[in-house]
Amino acid sequence: EVQLVESGGGLVQPGGSLRLSCAASGFTFSHYWMHWVRQAPGKGLVWVSHINSDGSDTTYADSVKGRFTISRDNAKNMLYLQMNSLRAEDTAVYYCTDPFADVDFWGQGTLVTVSS
Amino acid sequence: DVVMTQSPLSLPVTLGQPASISCRSSQSLVGSDGNTYLNWFQQRPGQSPRRLIYKVSNRDSGVPDRFSGSGSGTDFTLKISRVEAEDVGIYYCMQGSHWPPWTFGQGTKVEIK
Repeated sequence: EVQLVESGGGLVQPGGSLRLSCAASGFTFSHYWMHWVRQAPGKGLVWVSHINSDGSDTTYADSVKGRFTISRDNAKNMLYLQMNSLRAEDTAVYYCTDPFADVDFWGQGTLVTVSS
Repeated sequence: DVVMTQSPLSLPVTLGQPASISCRSSQSLVGSDGNTYLNWFQQRPGQSPRRLIYKVSNRDSGVPDRFSGSGSGTDFTLKISRVEAEDVGIYYCMQGSHWPPWTFGQGTKVEIK
């Protein structure tokens, strides 16, 4: 069974940092590009970042460029998102996924709340 | 950036009746490889998104055949042939032909009249 489990969310003060993790199972993780997508409370889906299958190429939305870093460990089937200099507008549920994979997979999401 | 524009943003439908959602892109979604990377996602209340349709018209495994996708270039449509209660939720189109960034539509909320 294909499964993605995000973790690492929580309450953090503006300017703080968090590291999100996504544990993958049930598929050959190392073959897939991976993305982080977020959804602010009551709002739509927004793409955040992508990493290619071997981790050699990454891209970011302008809103997080320079603050967030995506990475992966294919030996552990893990995807990460290091989030620094967090702002109130980063408050959202963060999902790991590959929207254009040959099969559909999304995690349950992890909530990040940036507030003092 | 490719802007994805959905309409309508709210769609009240009667059970058993058809429904249609439009998604327009600010530029053609035909990619350099000749494929058109346009997906449709459903998000039921309180749930994670779920992909229904990939590359314009291909239904994902387990998706009921009352859902269909069509279109080309810049104009795309998601149709539900006969709406059921479980179809309530928000539907998003997303393009992956010209990136970064990958971009979503604003979402269309489907509710039962």
